[in-house]
Amino acid sequence: GAGVSQTPSNKVTEKGKYVELRCDPISGHTALYWYRQSLGQGPEFLIYFQGTGAADDSGLPNDRFFAVRPEGSVSTLKIQRTERGDSAVYLCASSNGGPDTQYFGPGTRLTVL
Amino acid sequence: GQQLNQSPQSMFIQEGEDVSMNCTSSSIFNTWLWYKQEPGEGPVLLIALYKAGELTSNGRLTAQFGITRKDSFLNISASIPSDVGIYFCAGQLWEYGNKLVFGAGTILRVKS
Repeated sequence: GAGVSQTPSNKVTEKGKYVELRCDPISGHTALYWYRQSLGQGPEFLIYFQGTGAADDSGLPNDRFFAVRPEGSVSTLKIQRTERGDSAVYLCASSNGGPDTQYFGPGTRLTVL
Repeated sequence: GQQLNQSPQSMFIQEGEDVSMNCTSSSIFNTWLWYKQEPGEGPVLLIALYKAGELTSNGRLTAQFGITRKDSFLNISASIPSDVGIYFCAGQLWEYGNKLVFGAGTILRVKS
């Protein structure tokens, strides 16, 4: 069956612009996670949704970052006034159970010039 | 915050050799996970460990959950070229929900 998909696969933007990154989870998965992976590092937790609500947003670095999941399926990560330090691969994972059942998408590589 | 120290940072080994990598933490975890990531892909789960002292195998891979709950190792036996990639350990603590804390990764290169 289809895995987690993320669009776009690559996004290049200019400093100060607004971007949206989309995640389509595995059908039926109730939990959805966003992670950020900087070059040479492991993924770093940003936010976790259970259904439509954000159960834990403690990893969002500041108020420029926001994520939604209005119908409990697709999620969008929104970054306002992008900065060069936001450049990274943004990974999405979905799950229907415990931590060992997180399936990751291929990521969106964001480059802020 | 929680941090995982993963070592070695990279390895360049001969095909057929065994590989060992480990992760340590200053905090305890309830679950330890090992992932492999290849270029342009997300991490793929290799092994999950749930109990202190647990030893689990998946083909040529073996991983252990340390007795103190603060460390884990991954062994790969008889390495082959397709083992190339970045290996990450990750820990999960119930008090912090299902989010995972990842190590910085071990880059594995195999010389055939």
